[in-house]
Amino acid sequence: EIVLTQSPGTLSLSPGERATLSCRASQSIAGSHLAWYQQKPGQAPRLLIYGASSRATGIPDRFSGSGSGTDFTLTISRLEPEDFAVYYCQQYGSSPLTFGQGTKVEIK
Amino acid sequence: QVQLQESGPGLVKPSETLSLTCTVSGDSVSSGLYYWNWIRQPPGKRLEWIGYVYYTGSTNYNPSLKSRVTISIDTSRNQFSLKLRSVTAADTALYYCARDTPGGLTDFWGQGTLVTVSS
Repeated sequence: EIVLTQSPGTLSLSPGERATLSCRASQSIAGSHLAWYQQKPGQAPRLLIYGASSRATGIPDRFSGSGSGTDFTLTISRLEPEDFAVYYCQQYGSSPLTFGQGTKVEIK
Repeated sequence: QVQLQESGPGLVKPSETLSLTCTVSGDSVSSGLYYWNWIRQPPGKRLEWIGYVYYTGSTNYNPSLKSRVTISIDTSRNQFSLKLRSVTAADTALYYCARDTPGGLTDFWGQGTLVTVSS
């Protein structure tokens, strides 16, 4: 199975700053089938990005995804107060589907 | 908009069977357009995909759980279910039901339900 490693584990930033989150795969992900989710306490994960770089419906354009092969990045251009949460990457290019361990974006 | 809601016992004894149901609203599980999944997250650990069921009843399971898992679908009730046999404390987790597109993308999730395995 494909193992996803996210870094850093925690990102401490202030509102208005730029956040860069990394997701590295143990092998190449077919078709760039990589997604990013946001999760807040007590809430279901919310799809942000699919196909490595396509924004899901209703997702603000301050969220962007990039990458291919084994290295992927989620960028939040300017953090809003509601963006402080945990972010997960997921590969859906091969079975079994797998997830990264998450990156927590916290207020500095 | 589709909504998914998990239900079932929050406490299960070791060696018994964990049973959960997901009720879907705003979509039909028999449409054939999506796959219906279970995903879990043990405390402090990463999300783990358990498996999915299609409206025909065909399934695909994570090899790590395959010997203990059954996922089934009830199109008349617009529900799908999870059974996990011979549970141990390691099966304590937040269990989510979720919808997958044909391409395998998980686009909608339920809120999750906590299941604790303890005597």
